Amino acid sequence: NAGVTQTPKFRVLKTGQSMTLLCAQDMNHEYMYWYRQDPGMGLRLIHYSVGEGTTAKGEVPDGYNVSRLKKQNFLLGLESAAPSQTSVYFCASRRTGTNTGELFFGEGSRLTVL
Amino acid sequence: GEDVEQSLFLSVREGDSSVINCTYTDSSSTYLYWYKQEPGAGLQLLTYIFSNMDMKQDQRLTVLLNKKDKHLSLRIADTQTGDSAIYFCAERINDYKLSFGAGTTVTVRA
Repeated sequence: NAGVTQTPKFRVLKTGQSMTLLCAQDMNHEYMYWYRQDPGMGLRLIHYSVGEGTTAKGEVPDGYNVSRLKKQNFLLGLESAAPSQTSVYFCASRRTGTNTGELFFGEGSRLTVL
Repeated sequence: GEDVEQSLFLSVREGDSSVINCTYTDSSSTYLYWYKQEPGAGLQLLTYIFSNMDMKQDQRLTVLLNKKDKHLSLRIADTQTGDSAIYFCAERINDYKLSFGAGTTVTVRA
C-alpha cells in the first residue's frame, strides 16, 4: 500500500518552461489536493478536486492548471514556469464520509525555477 | 476568516515539555488538527480535537482548546530528539478544505 505518491521528487526548470507534476493515490479517496509550501507561509491550497472529472480553485491558483481524469490521479501543470513558482509542492488526499477529515500527504516535489 | 497563526520556532531541552500555540479565526470550525512534518517528508496527522471538547490526551500529547479565545495548544511531554520537526496547526473550514498555519519548527537540544 503506497499511499500518496508524487513524481518527480525534484525538478529544475528555466523560466517559461512547462511541466506536469503527477500525484497518484491507491486508497480510493474521493478528494485530492495540491498545496505549495513556502518558508514562513505554511501550506497554501492551489487547486483541489472532490471527484473524478471535477476540479476547483484554491487560494493561489494563478499560473497552475489541474486535471482529474482518473480517480486515483491528480495532475498539476505549470504552462509557463516563473521564479515565483519555486516551492515544495505537496499532494494530499482524503476519503469522504470521514468525520475527522484526515489528509494523507505525499512526500513532496521540490521545484526550482531559474 | 481562514487565518491560522502560530509562532515559527521553538527550542526545547530534551526531557522538558514543549508547548506549541496556535490561534484560529473561524469560530464555526468543527475540527482542529496538529500535523507533524519530519525533514524531507510530507505531513502526517498527529492528533485532532473536536470543537465540543476542551482537552484531549494521547500518550505524551495533550491538546487544549479554548473556544472563547480561539486558541489551540499542543503539549508534548518528555520531549525527545525524534520530536524535532515542523508542527502545523490546521482548522477545518468546510467539508472540502483545511486551513493551515505557517508551522512551528521545534528543535530539541541535548
